[in-house]
Amino acid sequence: DIVMTQSPDSLAVSLGERATINCKSSQSVLYSSNNKNCLAWYQQKPRQPPKLLIYWASTRKSGVPDRFSGSGSGTDFTLTISSLQAEDVAVYYCQQYHSTPPTFGQGTRLEIK
Amino acid sequence: EVQLVESGGGLVKPGGSLRISCSSSEITLTNAWMSWVRQAPGKGLEWIGRIKSKTDGGTTDHAAPVKGRFTVSRDDSKNTLYLQMNSLKTEDTAVYYCSRDGNSGIYEAWFDPWGPGTLVTVSS
Repeated sequence: DIVMTQSPDSLAVSLGERATINCKSSQSVLYSSNNKNCLAWYQQKPRQPPKLLIYWASTRKSGVPDRFSGSGSGTDFTLTISSLQAEDVAVYYCQQYHSTPPTFGQGTRLEIK
Repeated sequence: EVQLVESGGGLVKPGGSLRISCSSSEITLTNAWMSWVRQAPGKGLEWIGRIKSKTDGGTTDHAAPVKGRFTVSRDDSKNTLYLQMNSLKTEDTAVYYCSRDGNSGIYEAWFDPWGPGTLVTVSS
């Protein structure tokens, strides 16, 4: 199985500042047939299910604010929130869908400083 | 937003069985690849199984920790997805979410949307 490792485990950022969450896969998740990275990001607020933010490493789901962006390739990926808002407090997960079984990172808890 | 709703969770003794369900008023489940993902209390997310669309054969995949104990199925007449859980262990205690696999064009995909989840507690 592909192991997904996120860093840091928790992060405190001031309102309006940039938040950066990293995700590393134990092997490349670049799909050779379409040259796309099989990496998704989710946001989970307390007592709610996860919500998809980004897929193909950098494609924002329709309706997701443009302060959320994804980048990276191969084994190293980043989720960036350009200007943190109060409603962004949540746990964020990355997920690879290159290989079966699909696997998730352990999560990064984002709080307001 | 497309809605999925799980039901049937509850308290069950170790070694027992439980079947949970997932339904939708917007998604015709027979046309979608559908997965179950669970989250133990205070823990992360774990994919446990899926069923493919009818046109793709309707076959299933299950994760190693639940293979042989859990079964994903679907009743097309009721537009309902099921997860039959047998030989339950305390470590199966979790919120169980149903979700639709994304239209990635490859075998695996992202998950969207997710239901609110149903809590299964395995305890004596």
